[in-house]
Amino acid sequence: DTAVSQTPKYLVTQMGNDKSIKCEQNLGHDTMYWYKQDSKKFLKIMFSYNNKELIINETVPNRFSPKSPDKAHLNLHINSLELGDSAVYFCASSPGTSGKQYFGPGTRLTVT
Amino acid sequence: AQTVTQSQPEMSVQEAETVTLSCTYDTSESDYYLFWYKQPPSRQMILVIRQEAYKQQNATENRFSVNFQKAAKSFSLKISDSQLGDAAMYFCAYRGMGGSEKLVFGKGTKLTVNP
Repeated sequence: DTAVSQTPKYLVTQMGNDKSIKCEQNLGHDTMYWYKQDSKKFLKIMFSYNNKELIINETVPNRFSPKSPDKAHLNLHINSLELGDSAVYFCASSPGTSGKQYFGPGTRLTVT
Repeated sequence: AQTVTQSQPEMSVQEAETVTLSCTYDTSESDYYLFWYKQPPSRQMILVIRQEAYKQQNATENRFSVNFQKAAKSFSLKISDSQLGDAAMYFCAYRGMGGSEKLVFGKGTKLTVNP
């Protein structure tokens, strides 16, 4: 009965590859997010979707493409991976009204 | 743009004692939310406490309480009777009132609890 789940939890890949991270929430929330946590632990918003519509796109390279097939899912596809993409990626969801955001367990991406 | 500043990269406390983590923020909005999130080594982001800016009363959750000073734009977290399980990174975060607003995080404070 996990609220926000992400797969995979760990991802190791080589430069130049393309990879995807999947996120699903079973909370019935309308809004979902992707955050990136860098090696210094700094967390920053990447994208936000509301009911499958892109709301926030925070100056992220266009190698990153989010896709929301329905409001319970928000996937992140990354093309041509670079060393600097190594980070922990968190998915989150929010009902909007309470301000609270519920985070997934994170995906640690390592690009070699 | 809103910013959140945590001026203490690291803090330590003795078990059973009290510690206060500092957070200041900058915004031109009058209504917003403030949060403290805990991130233990498991890396899971855990919501500790939430404060709505229009509420003057400071939020409390068991051993965790905040000192919210709206005019000073200050939002500190007090942990009472510290436990070993409180050891973690603590992030202060700001969120606007819109339905799809993002969280803006501070850089975090690493809390060590000494037995």
